Amino acid sequence: DAGVTQSPTHLIKTRGQQVTLRCSPKSGHDTVSWYQQALGQGPQFIFQYYEEEERQRGNFPDRFSGHQFPNYSSELNVNALLLGDSALYLCASSLAIQENTEAFFGQGTRLTVV
Amino acid sequence: AQSVAQPEDQVNVAEGNPLTVKCTYSVSGNPYLFWYVQYPNRGLQFLLKYITGDNLVKGSYGFEAEFNKSQTSFHLKKPSALVSDSALYFCAVRDVADYKLSFGAGTTVTVRA
Repeated sequence: DAGVTQSPTHLIKTRGQQVTLRCSPKSGHDTVSWYQQALGQGPQFIFQYYEEEERQRGNFPDRFSGHQFPNYSSELNVNALLLGDSALYLCASSLAIQENTEAFFGQGTRLTVV
Repeated sequence: AQSVAQPEDQVNVAEGNPLTVKCTYSVSGNPYLFWYVQYPNRGLQFLLKYITGDNLVKGSYGFEAEFNKSQTSFHLKKPSALVSDSALYFCAVRDVADYKLSFGAGTTVTVRA
């Protein structure tokens, strides 16, 4: 049973560029959340997708956008990259009907903006 | 609004000694509480959760946590620490009426041989 998989594992981008990160949820899960973890900090909630809709959003600018596909996989897009966007981006999946279940996290994508 | 505080950046213990990592939380409604562990360059691994019921929750790798509603705390404990427990530990809270997890800043645990 594959867990949550994210790609790529690392990437380097230049300020002003755009980036797309990808996530496949754990088998059987239908909900995907994205978190940003800056160095030395705890993860911060970006948004959550369920039924291909963004159903909750954290305190992040509109430069951060996402998508969920019919197979429940998800993408995180960040436009006009800033140096401060450098972080580990974590994807987490869960099953909506089990509202009190824990979220399963992927290994993350390390984004460096130069 | 919901938030988590982990008052200790670092906890150092000798192998075989008890380990405690502290966590306090704030939510508007009833909380779901979680502990996760993170190893270098890895994602988060789930340790245990409190949803309802018994205040003492047992989880993976011999860890347990005690929910205290009056003190709004959810401290992580292990009776006898191992060197392999050295990692970064995160406490997280979710209001039952919410979808997002709010994490603390993390506590680095170092267990010396």
